[in-house]
Amino acid sequence: DAGVIQSPRHEVTEMGQEVTLRCKPISGHNSLFWYRQTMMRGLELLIYFNNNVPIDDSGMPEDRFSAKMPNASFSTLKIQPSEPRDSAVYFCASNVGYSYNEQFFGPGTRLTVL
Amino acid sequence: SQQGEEDPQALSIQEGENATMNCSYKTSINNLQWYRQNSGRGLVHLILIRSNEREKHSGRLRVTLDTSKKSSSLLITASRAADTASYFCATDLQGAQKLVFGQGTRLTINP
Repeated sequence: DAGVIQSPRHEVTEMGQEVTLRCKPISGHNSLFWYRQTMMRGLELLIYFNNNVPIDDSGMPEDRFSAKMPNASFSTLKIQPSEPRDSAVYFCASNVGYSYNEQFFGPGTRLTVL
Repeated sequence: SQQGEEDPQALSIQEGENATMNCSYKTSINNLQWYRQNSGRGLVHLILIRSNEREKHSGRLRVTLDTSKKSSSLLITASRAADTASYFCATDLQGAQKLVFGQGTRLTINP
C-alpha cells in the first residue's frame, strides 16, 4: 500500500491567495483527519470525516478554512484567503473503525504564507 | 491545557542507554498511544495500550499505563542513533471520538 498521500508537499503563497491541500487516504479506511502542526500550538485536529461525512469540525480556526470529502478516496482542505499565521505543516491521517484507533499519517504539506 | 502532556520536553542521551518519556493526561480514556515523528516527516504509530492494560511491549519499546495516576511512560531500551526523533502521546477523550496529542518529547541519541 502507498500509505496516505498528500499534495503538494510544499506550498509557498502570498497573503490573500487561495490554498488547496489534497489528501488520498489509505484504501479501505473510513475515517480521515486533517491536523495542523506548529511550534507554538503543537498538533491540532482541524476536522475529521467518517464515511465521507464531517463529524467534528470544532478545530477549524475560522470561516477561511473549509474541508470536503467528495468520495472515500479524496479530501481537500482549502484556505481562502490565506494569512501569514496559517503557515504550518498540515497533515492528513486515516484509519479504520473508531476515530481513536491507530491513525496513519501522510508526509504532510508545509505551507508558507508570505 | 493539553489533554496529554509529555515530560521531559527534550532528552539527550548516549547511544546504548535507555530513554524514558512520560505522559500525563486529565480525563478518562479508552486507550493511550505513542507516536514517533522524524524531522520533516509524518507521525508513525508505535504502540497502543488500552485502559484495562498496565504494560505492553513491542521490540525495544515498553509502555506502562497507570490510570489511577493518569500517566503513562515509554521506555526505549538500548537506544540507537536512529531513535532520534520526537515522541508524542495521544489520548482519546471518552465520548469525544477523537485523539488529542501532547506537545512531544524531543529525543536525541548521541553516538
